[in-house]
Amino acid sequence: GAVVSQHPSWVICKSGTSVKIECRSLDFQATTMFWYRQFPKQSLMLMATSNEGSKATYEQGVEKDKFLINHASLTLSTLTVTSAHPEDSSFYICSASVLMGDQPQHFGDGTRLSIL
Amino acid sequence: AQSVAQPEDQVNVAEGNPLTVKCTYSVSGNPYLFWYVQYPNRGLQFLLKYITGDNLVKGSYGFEAEFNKSQTSFHLKKPSALVSDSALYFCAVRTKLGFQKLVFGTGTRLLVSP
Repeated sequence: GAVVSQHPSWVICKSGTSVKIECRSLDFQATTMFWYRQFPKQSLMLMATSNEGSKATYEQGVEKDKFLINHASLTLSTLTVTSAHPEDSSFYICSASVLMGDQPQHFGDGTRLSIL
Repeated sequence: AQSVAQPEDQVNVAEGNPLTVKCTYSVSGNPYLFWYVQYPNRGLQFLLKYITGDNLVKGSYGFEAEFNKSQTSFHLKKPSALVSDSALYFCAVRTKLGFQKLVFGTGTRLLVSP
């Protein structure tokens, strides 16, 4: 149980393109979803917390107009990287959790984004 | 502020030997502690958690972790390492006040040699 599907797993696109990444909880309803960014050989950096039906809460230093997050249902959240540039190239990971403090976050397999 | 420290960037161990991956934490209030493992180009997989109760927590793939409140530590252990255990391991902490937001350590790369 507790499977999170993230799609696509790999994206290569030209600078200026907008890219959408989907995160789905397949067998549970996720009240909260999280978006992380991971640089090579580094830990996860939380970008934003997304609750179903409300606006995402962005971490300090994360541009909300650059990284658009939509959490339209209890099983789907999307991250759109708008007008992507090479510096946006990274590994993006989503996770999902239910509204109970002791439940673990369940992670997707990540999306490798490469902007040329 | 909450923080997690993983003092070792890498741990090397021979297959069949016991392994320990260290983690210490700093939180206000009671911590919820987690261990995750990450394989190359993959997301994180949940291994185990400590919420309350027994200080020794057993998790997936034969891993266990010991919660030590006085030392504010939550070290990950396994009695006999496998080559397939080679991966990146993250310790994370969450408090009730912080709700569901996790604070991760910097990760420890475990390398198990045949």
